[in-house]
Amino acid sequence: QKEVEQDPGPLSVPEGAIVSLNCTYSNSAFQYFMWYRQYSRKGPELLMYTYSSGNKEDGRFTAQVDKSSKYISLFIRDSQPSDSATYLCAMSARGAQKLVFGQGTRLTINP
Amino acid sequence: DTGVSQDPRHKITKRGQNVTFRCDPISEHNRLYWYRQTLGQGPEFLTYFQNEAQLEKSRLLSDRFSAERPKGSFSTLEIQRTEQGDSAMYLCASSLELAGARGQFFGPGTRLTVL
Repeated sequence: QKEVEQDPGPLSVPEGAIVSLNCTYSNSAFQYFMWYRQYSRKGPELLMYTYSSGNKEDGRFTAQVDKSSKYISLFIRDSQPSDSATYLCAMSARGAQKLVFGQGTRLTINP
Repeated sequence: DTGVSQDPRHKITKRGQNVTFRCDPISEHNRLYWYRQTLGQGPEFLTYFQNEAQLEKSRLLSDRFSAERPKGSFSTLEIQRTEQGDSAMYLCASSLELAGARGQFFGPGTRLTVL
């Protein structure tokens, strides 16, 4: 079983919809939680970072962490065609340097 | 462009050949990381450097793989005797020491195809 599980999709929604992306994890040592966006044939780009449990909002993006359930989410409001990409969750433990990634969810926003 | 750069962007090689990739981190970043990403999967950690010291290596980094960062600036990743299973995107990232794992900025990657 992988440390981080993420539904690979693909997920296709109409423009303007609210998108919910999720990851579950098994390692209770994870303290830092990140969401990256990756366009085709490009490197991952950091979208959101959250430490421990709670919510964080940045424009149309909201990240949620529930450590008790080992579950994290990314919500995208008013989705745009330019949001079409693969979204990767990533985590790390305190003091650790490596990121552990989920498989990535491929998202398409249809105009 | 002050981001992480990688060279080459694409490499096609025959099985058994050696290949070398280069990564230039963001100039003030003293930590440098290598990841491998296969099709449809998330990146997997390979190794990281703090300045010129290689501080952690994944068990994914077999004896055929070697990474260096001789002067604490750019890094190279060499794969000897390539195998078809080595075909992947090789990603480099860099960060400031204080930012740690959460402050990693990724380069565009080098896509390796082994025929």
